Amino acid sequence: EAGVTQFPSHSVIEKGQTVTLRCDPISGHDNLYWYRRVMGKEIKFLLHFVKESKQDESGMPNNRFLAERTGGTYSTLKVQPAELEDSGVYFCASSQWARRGPGANVLTFGAGSRLTVL
Amino acid sequence: QKEVEQNSGPLSVPEGAIASLNCTYSDRGSQSFFWYRQYSGKSPELIMSIYSNGDKEDGRFTAQLNKASQYVSLLIRDSQPSDSATYLCAVTGNQFYFGTGTSLTVIP
Repeated sequence: EAGVTQFPSHSVIEKGQTVTLRCDPISGHDNLYWYRRVMGKEIKFLLHFVKESKQDESGMPNNRFLAERTGGTYSTLKVQPAELEDSGVYFCASSQWARRGPGANVLTFGAGSRLTVL
Repeated sequence: QKEVEQNSGPLSVPEGAIASLNCTYSDRGSQSFFWYRQYSGKSPELIMSIYSNGDKEDGRFTAQLNKASQYVSLLIRDSQPSDSATYLCAVTGNQFYFGTGTSLTVIP
C-alpha cells in the first residue's frame, strides 16, 4: 500500500512568490489533513478535508493560504503571496476514519514539504 | 497554555538503558493519545496509541496514561541507537494536537 506522498520535498522561493504544495493521501482515506511545523514549534493543524469538503479550516493562518481537494483525491495547498513567516515544513496526513473516541484519528503522515521563503 | 506540553530535551541515555518521555495535556475531554517517532527529515510514524488509563506494552515500548493527572508517557526499554529520534506526543480533542517533541539520543 502506497503511503501519503507529498510534493515537492523542498521548495525555496522569494517573498511575494507563489508556491503550491501537493498531497496524495492513501487510497481510500476520505480524511485529509494539512499541518505545519515552524522550526522549534509544535506541529500545528491547518485544515481537514472529508472527501472534497472542508470539514475544518480553523487553523489556516490567513487568506494567503488556499487549500483544495478536487474530486476528493489529492489536495493542494497554495500560498500566495508567500511571506517569510510561512517558512516551515508542511505535513499532510490522511486517515480512514475521523470519528471521536478511542481508535479515532490514527493518522498516517507524508514526509512533508519544506518551504523556505527568502 | 499549550494543548500538549513536552520537554524538548535533548534527552540522552546510554544504550541498553530505559528512556522515559513525558507529556501533559490540557483538555480533560481528550480521548485518544498517541506517540509518534520522527527521524530527521522523515515523516512522523505512529509507534503507540493508548485510549484508557494504565499501561500498554508493545515490545520494548510501554505507554502509560493517567487521565486524572492528564499525563501520558512513553518508556523505551533496552534503548538502541536506532531509537535516536524526536518523539511527538499527540492528543485528540476537537482536533489532533501535537507537542513540540522530545529529542532522544541513545549513546552507544
